Amino acid sequence: KNEVEQSPQNLTAQEGEFITINCSYSVGISALHWLQQHPGGGIVSLFMLSSGKKKHGRLIATINIQEKHSSLHITASHPRDSAVYICALKTSYDKVIFGPGTSLSVIP
Amino acid sequence: ETGVTQTPRHLVMGMTNKKSLKCEQHLGHNAMYWYKQSAKKPLELMFVYSLEERVENNSVPSRFSPECPNSSHLFLHLHTLQPEDSALYLCASSQDLAIQGRGTRTSTQYFGPGTRLTVL
Repeated sequence: KNEVEQSPQNLTAQEGEFITINCSYSVGISALHWLQQHPGGGIVSLFMLSSGKKKHGRLIATINIQEKHSSLHITASHPRDSAVYICALKTSYDKVIFGPGTSLSVIP
Repeated sequence: ETGVTQTPRHLVMGMTNKKSLKCEQHLGHNAMYWYKQSAKKPLELMFVYSLEERVENNSVPSRFSPECPNSSHLFLHLHTLQPEDSALYLCASSQDLAIQGRGTRTSTQYFGPGTRLTVL
């Protein structure tokens, strides 16, 4: 079993839809990052979470430490949200583990 | 613009060439990282530098040699690479590293645009 998994692997949505991307992990962590990678490779760090919930614009990230689960929500999705979304863990032993990513395509 | 720049953006090299990738951060951060992203694979952490000292080396082959001359610059020297080393190489920086035993303070990493490397 992989230490971090994401679902779905691929997602196609219509513009305006509410989107949820999930991340589950099996190791102890000190923080969890949600990253956004656009075509061409550039990566932007969206959130760093160690507990609770964070909101930035149309993006909301939550984490449940007990259940070892985090979700990234996008409200009112837009074609410019099309990207790969990556969940990354900073483990309790200072190791960084990246999830396989979720490829999101938002259609006008 | 994340404040982290990488050059070159694209590089094609033969297996016998020697080349270097450069990363520069303008954020005053103390930690810098090299990652490798191969097609259809998760990101792989290669090297971590904190205050110019290497703190992590994730079993990377010796044909990849990092150098951190100061806290703003990070190099990845490449020699006798293999075609399977073709990938996107990403540099990142953060204000501080999380230090084991000193609580859970961590830092968001800011990534550069990457260097697309092709080894022929």
